[in-house]
Amino acid sequence: KAGVTQTPRYLIKTRGQQVTLSCSPISGHRSVSWYQQTPGQGLQFLFEYFSETQRNKGNFPGRFSGRQFSNSRSEMNVSTLELGDSALYLCASSLGAMGEKLFFGSGTQLSVL
Amino acid sequence: DQQVKQNSPSLSVQEGRISILNCDYTNSMFDYFLWYKKYPAEGPTFLISISSIKDKNEDGRFTVFLNKSAKHLSLHIVPSQPGDSAVYFCAASAMETSGSRLTFGEGTQLTVNP
Repeated sequence: KAGVTQTPRYLIKTRGQQVTLSCSPISGHRSVSWYQQTPGQGLQFLFEYFSETQRNKGNFPGRFSGRQFSNSRSEMNVSTLELGDSALYLCASSLGAMGEKLFFGSGTQLSVL
Repeated sequence: DQQVKQNSPSLSVQEGRISILNCDYTNSMFDYFLWYKKYPAEGPTFLISISSIKDKNEDGRFTVFLNKSAKHLSLHIVPSQPGDSAVYFCAASAMETSGSRLTFGEGTQLTVNP
């Protein structure tokens, strides 16, 4: 069974630009979550999508948005990039049951210059 | 507000000895706890979990202990191996209220020396 796939692996953008990251979950998984990892901050929850609906949202500004498609694939968009958005963005998938363990992709490393 | 804290950024142990990684939480609604391991350039991988109805869960070399009254959990690795060198994240979930959402600690870099 293929794992969680994130594209691209690396991305360099400049301040003010916008970016879209993509995530393909494990086949059969209907929940996709996004996390931001910065040094010393652990993983911060961005949002979770289940069956194309946002089920949960973290404390990030509205510049961070996402969506999920009917095939469970998900995209995350960040508009008006700031230097502080430089981070590793991780996508995780699961079947969607409460408290279930998550399966993570390798992440997209975003650098904002 | 850091609801899950790993106070030790790093830990170094000798091969064959025990590694003990600690984690504290503040939210009493948390009822499910997990440990993830992360190698550089890879996503975190699930290691072991424990429900709040238990105080210990064991899987091979890995044991997680939960002390609900102290809001503290720990991961024991015995014996430690060089391949265990990675960043370990503690995570918590409030199953009834947060769906699949996990709250993570800052991570502890474990180095196992040969």
